[in-house]
Amino acid sequence: GAVVSQHPSRVICKSGTSVKIECRSLDFQATTMFWYRQFPKQSLMLMATSNEGSKATYEQGVEKDKFLINHASLTLSTLTVTSAHPEDSSFYICSARRDFETQYFGPGTRLLVL
Amino acid sequence: EDQVTQSPEALRLQEGESSSLNCSYTVSGLRGLFWYRQDPGKGPEFLFTLYSAGEEKEKERLKATLTKKESFLHITAPKPEDSATYLCAVQARNTPLVFGKGTRLSVIA
Repeated sequence: GAVVSQHPSRVICKSGTSVKIECRSLDFQATTMFWYRQFPKQSLMLMATSNEGSKATYEQGVEKDKFLINHASLTLSTLTVTSAHPEDSSFYICSARRDFETQYFGPGTRLLVL
Repeated sequence: EDQVTQSPEALRLQEGESSSLNCSYTVSGLRGLFWYRQDPGKGPEFLFTLYSAGEEKEKERLKATLTKKESFLHITAPKPEDSATYLCAVQARNTPLVFGKGTRLSVIA
């Protein structure tokens, strides 16, 4: 199967700082990338969808000024959590898809905001 | 509105005790039904894609089947390493995946 990586795998930051998470498709070109958030023992919650070179489409209730998404190339998308607060602490997972094929997921990033 | 319901919510099996997980769905224009496995603290791992009713796919101890209303993930003679949360998702045309809440499987040696 296709491989999607995320970096960092774990990050701890102070309240008010910004954190950037990278998502890369390693062996295929991803026309679409997705960002999810997952709370303990709950299913995945889609935050936004991005197509290479276009602005991301955010799901209802997700603040686009707080969660900045950039899909600069067919293999890289970044999620920046701006002015992070403790309530932003969560498990963030990216996913990548080539055309309308299967979505492959990254290993996730655990964010803890103190 | 597209919906996915998985049952049971949790399942505890003895090693070697075969069983099935259910995924019921309603979707307009099914493009594909997907099964993923998720271990704690990790991202979902792709298992299968099913595209049309009657289709079946197998991988080791797992077999996925699809009808017009539901999908089953059959686990034959499970081992403790099969313990995980199994997620079902559907994709309609030009829409993101819609996930079920998952089935937490525990296989006891």
